[in-house]
Amino acid sequence: QVQVVQSGAEVKPPGSSVKVSCKASGGSFTNYAFTWVRQAPGQGLEWVGGIIPLFGTWNFAQKFQGRITITADESTSTAYMELSSLRSEDTAVYFCARVPGYSGFDLHLDYWGQGTLVTVSS
Amino acid sequence: DIVMTQSPDSLPVSLGERATINCKSSQSLFKSSNNKNSLAWYQQKPGQPPKLLMYWASTRESGVPDRFSGSGSGTEFTLTISSLQADDVAVYYCQQYFTTPLTFGGGTKLEMK
Repeated sequence: QVQVVQSGAEVKPPGSSVKVSCKASGGSFTNYAFTWVRQAPGQGLEWVGGIIPLFGTWNFAQKFQGRITITADESTSTAYMELSSLRSEDTAVYFCARVPGYSGFDLHLDYWGQGTLVTVSS
Repeated sequence: DIVMTQSPDSLPVSLGERATINCKSSQSLFKSSNNKNSLAWYQQKPGQPPKLLMYWASTRESGVPDRFSGSGSGTEFTLTISSLQADDVAVYYCQQYFTTPLTFGGGTKLEMK
């Protein structure tokens, strides 16, 4: 049974950083890629970035240039997304989703985590 | 970036009636290497993560009722619910995975009339 479990909600002041984790079970971690998608309150879905744990390569949306780091720990089957220089516009639910392949991000997103609410507020 | 445009924004449908949601992409999603279109559909209910319904534009995910179907090719796609059930009330998103950045449509809110 596949499960994608994320870390809990965070409240962060503007200018700080947040690191969200995503632990996958029910399959070999390196057989998949993992992506991060965020959803601001009452809004649609926005791709943040993703990682291919087998190769350690990662990609991200250009708007996050200089502020995002995505990593993966094969020993714990966990992916991480760290976003720095937080601003109020980063307040959103951040979802981790599995890509059913390791060639890249050229497949659908088959299993999603429960989401992690990141609130940026002073 | 590939822009995904969904219509309508909101769709009121009566129980048992057909619902049709449209999605257009700013460039073709047809992948010549496998003759498939890199387009997925998701259903999202309040407080929940999105749930995969369809991929490759017309392949139903395991466990998804067969009243859901997907069609289209190139730049125009459709999600159809043949006979609306109460449990289908949700927001529906299309998404392209032809290239990064992955992009989503703005969503269609399906409501009971």
